[in-house]
Amino acid sequence: DTAVSQTPKYLVTQMGNDKSIKCEQNLGHDTMYWYKQDSKKFLKIMFSYNNKELIINETVPNRFSPKSPDKAHLNLHINSLELGDSAVYFCASSQAGVRFDEQFFGPGTRLTVL
Amino acid sequence: AQSVSQHNHHVILSEAASLELGCNYSYGGTVNLFWYVQYPGQHLQLLLKYFSGDPLVKGIKGFEAEFIKSKFSFNLRKPSVQWSDTAEYFCAVQGYQKVTFGIGTKLQVIP
Repeated sequence: DTAVSQTPKYLVTQMGNDKSIKCEQNLGHDTMYWYKQDSKKFLKIMFSYNNKELIINETVPNRFSPKSPDKAHLNLHINSLELGDSAVYFCASSQAGVRFDEQFFGPGTRLTVL
Repeated sequence: AQSVSQHNHHVILSEAASLELGCNYSYGGTVNLFWYVQYPGQHLQLLLKYFSGDPLVKGIKGFEAEFIKSKFSFNLRKPSVQWSDTAEYFCAVQGYQKVTFGIGTKLQVIP
């Protein structure tokens, strides 16, 4: 069974479009994250949700809007896509409230904006 | 604010060579420390972790790391690398709430 899954795996789209990436975890974790990994492999946190509440919101354009319908899902919606949004987006989850906070990552979604 | 720096961005080794990847962090309080590995085309996986106790931590696939509090370091080591260790290695520090990743070190092992 896949612990953290993301769809789609690949996403190719034109500038200006709106797209969504879905993430689901079946680990029973309370906290979920979105990371962006650029072409240089630099991994940067974007958002973190704990029990459907936003707890971390790094400096991310407001074109990016996360949505957590329940604690097992954290979706990422991106409006008006730009060339610079091309990257691999990783979803992750961890068990909140535990000092040791290992994160489990999804397989990633490679977004290409043309 | 917490930060992580990895000194080696690209390391090339021959098989059986020894490996040490540097990681230093900055944070004023108690931290958890991690090394993650990303094999080509795959997602990040946990290699090893430290949160308390013995500062020498052993992980999977023969990797180990030593936490030196006075140096704010958590270097990754392996005595003899294999071709299959070719991957990107990320050091990460968790302070309050969030985990910050280093920029990553690309390890290339030549057969």
